[in-house]
Amino acid sequence: RKEVEQDPGPFNVPEGATVAFNCTYSNSASQSFFWYRQDCRKEPKLLMSVYSSGNEDGRFTAQLNRASQYISLLIRDSKLSDSATYLCVVTMGRRALTFGSGTRLQVQP
Amino acid sequence: EAQVTQNPRYLITVTGKKLTVTCSQNMNHEYMSWYRQDPGLGLRQIYYSMNVEVTDKGDVPEGYKVSRKEKRNFPLILESPSPNQTSLYFCASGSGGEQYFGPGTRLTVT
Repeated sequence: RKEVEQDPGPFNVPEGATVAFNCTYSNSASQSFFWYRQDCRKEPKLLMSVYSSGNEDGRFTAQLNRASQYISLLIRDSKLSDSATYLCVVTMGRRALTFGSGTRLQVQP
Repeated sequence: EAQVTQNPRYLITVTGKKLTVTCSQNMNHEYMSWYRQDPGLGLRQIYYSMNVEVTDKGDVPEGYKVSRKEKRNFPLILESPSPNQTSLYFCASGSGGEQYFGPGTRLTVT
């Protein structure tokens, strides 16, 4: 079983739609969680951290469910510019980050 | 401007010819790492460094070497490249889960 698993998609949604991705992790001792965004052939960039209490940044909401060992990312009012691959990241202390394989989102006009 | 730079950005080489991909950061980060990204496999960590002269293996270290003689630089060395090392490589630096990635090096080994 992979340490971090994501549905690869693609998720094809119309502009203005709400879309949600989940990411499951296998190690219950995982400490920190993040969402990164990666545009085609570009480097990943930090989108947002995921806190236990959940957090929101504009149209983006991230949540953590430790009991079920998953994190989620909700995007409201999707824009064409949201089209990208979203990577879930889990850390164990300072050592290593483990990336999921990513979920591809395609927002259509 | 805070950034991570990598060179070269593109490289086509032949099996067995030693190569080095350079990585440099100007943010004074202690932690640096190298990843490779392959279709369907996502980003996999090759090596990481917690500080100068401190390096450790990631998930896929075979066939790679690194060194960390200065805080800002973290070169990736392929002593004898093979075709299965054809990939997109990213260098990153940062703190905890907040990592800054370089623009990537697309390597093809024939």
